[in-house]
Amino acid sequence: GQNIDQPTEMTATEGAIVQINCTYQTSGFNGLFWYQQHAGEAPTFLSYNVLDGLEEKGRFSSFLSRSKGYSYLLLKELQMKDSASYLCAVITGNYQLIWGAGTKLIIKP
Amino acid sequence: DAEITQSPRHKITETGRQVTLACHQTWNHNNMFWYRQDLGHGLRLIHYSYGVQDTNKGEVSDGYSVSRSNTEDLPLTLESAASSQTSVYFCASSDGGQHTGELFFGEGSRLTVL
Repeated sequence: GQNIDQPTEMTATEGAIVQINCTYQTSGFNGLFWYQQHAGEAPTFLSYNVLDGLEEKGRFSSFLSRSKGYSYLLLKELQMKDSASYLCAVITGNYQLIWGAGTKLIIKP
Repeated sequence: DAEITQSPRHKITETGRQVTLACHQTWNHNNMFWYRQDLGHGLRLIHYSYGVQDTNKGEVSDGYSVSRSNTEDLPLTLESAASSQTSVYFCASSDGGQHTGELFFGEGSRLTVL
């Protein structure tokens, strides 16, 4: 079967750095998304990786290793507004989009 | 500004009733999707469309139907609502090929089936 694993919940401190991991086992791979979802709101796009390596966008970076079936989202200089769920989604070989259950990130002052 | 809107935002209905959730986008995107989101699960695809008159079943399509008569709208119909269909429903649209484009989501419709 096809599977995406993310930690259910993480806690971090304001101003710190946090890394949210995502591992996947899918039939083929055509790209990986990260989305942010605040409680009660719609998911919003953060990043897209299709090649190995690090993509940086301001305080957020996303890393991909296709050979390891692994990605992480790195959030720097954490702010209270970063408290949200972070969703990992993989485009499979036949262009299905499979979603992880999401990681709830709690930021403490 | 382009947007994607869903209505109603909240709906309570009874088992066996027919319910339609509306989705309207002004992005002029060809691709539109309906997902449901339940605690402990990732977003699960119900139906999707790659253009006018095109509709396809997703992984959890039983009990749901869609139609695409124009670019802007993809209404989702629950033919006979069941308690298992209590969920938050998200409509999304994208440009580009198949599932490769960034998804733009509506604000969600919370449906309760009693």
